[in-house]
Amino acid sequence: DAKTTQPPSMDCAEGRAANLPCNHSTISGNEYVYWYRQIHSQGPQYIIHGLKNNETNEMASLIITEDRKSSTLILPHATLRDTAVYYCIVSDSGGSNYKLTFGKGTLLTVNP
Amino acid sequence: NAGVTQTPKFQVLKTGQSMTLQCAQDMNHEYMSWYRQDPGMGLRLIHYSVGAGITDQGEVPNGYNVSRSTTEDFPLRLLSAAPSQTSVYFCASSYLTSDEAFFGQGTRLTVV
Repeated sequence: DAKTTQPPSMDCAEGRAANLPCNHSTISGNEYVYWYRQIHSQGPQYIIHGLKNNETNEMASLIITEDRKSSTLILPHATLRDTAVYYCIVSDSGGSNYKLTFGKGTLLTVNP
Repeated sequence: NAGVTQTPKFQVLKTGQSMTLQCAQDMNHEYMSWYRQDPGMGLRLIHYSVGAGITDQGEVPNGYNVSRSTTEDFPLRLLSAAPSQTSVYFCASSYLTSDEAFFGQGTRLTVV
């Protein structure tokens, strides 16, 4: 699986958009970008994933660059409950969700 | 529908003792996995299973055994605990064709 690079920490004001970057320059054509988050040492929680098109769900939006070498997770209106470690993971689709490779992620702190 | 349930939540062992960490899911998921998380680190894959009777090693399998006799349960066994196995352990499960893995709330293990 391709390696990912994320900033160790970021801050965001409550109510503002949080934009979390991820670099994955060695991503291959069949690999997807997944985002999970971990709130205060709880079990990780799936957020969103995508291949090459931008994706949106009720939690977040995922913007993937045209060359697929980087992506941005967007939380449109961050709340205090969004304070967590966010993991960007590159993996094969579907059948590889049982063997995820986690890096250290980005600690997002949402401030009042 | 309880999701992924791990027991116990906390455990202290003496070096050399054995124990089993329990993981059960009620979602009829084919895939199940065990991860460990050390302080300040991401999760690392220990063992995984793609169905009843089928298991395989992940990134850090030494010192751990697993078996999968039913779809619902995937216990993790420590045969002779060592201080290096002090960690938080997470169990996860997912569908064969799903892109989302569901995680339990973790077992915090301390080996003294």
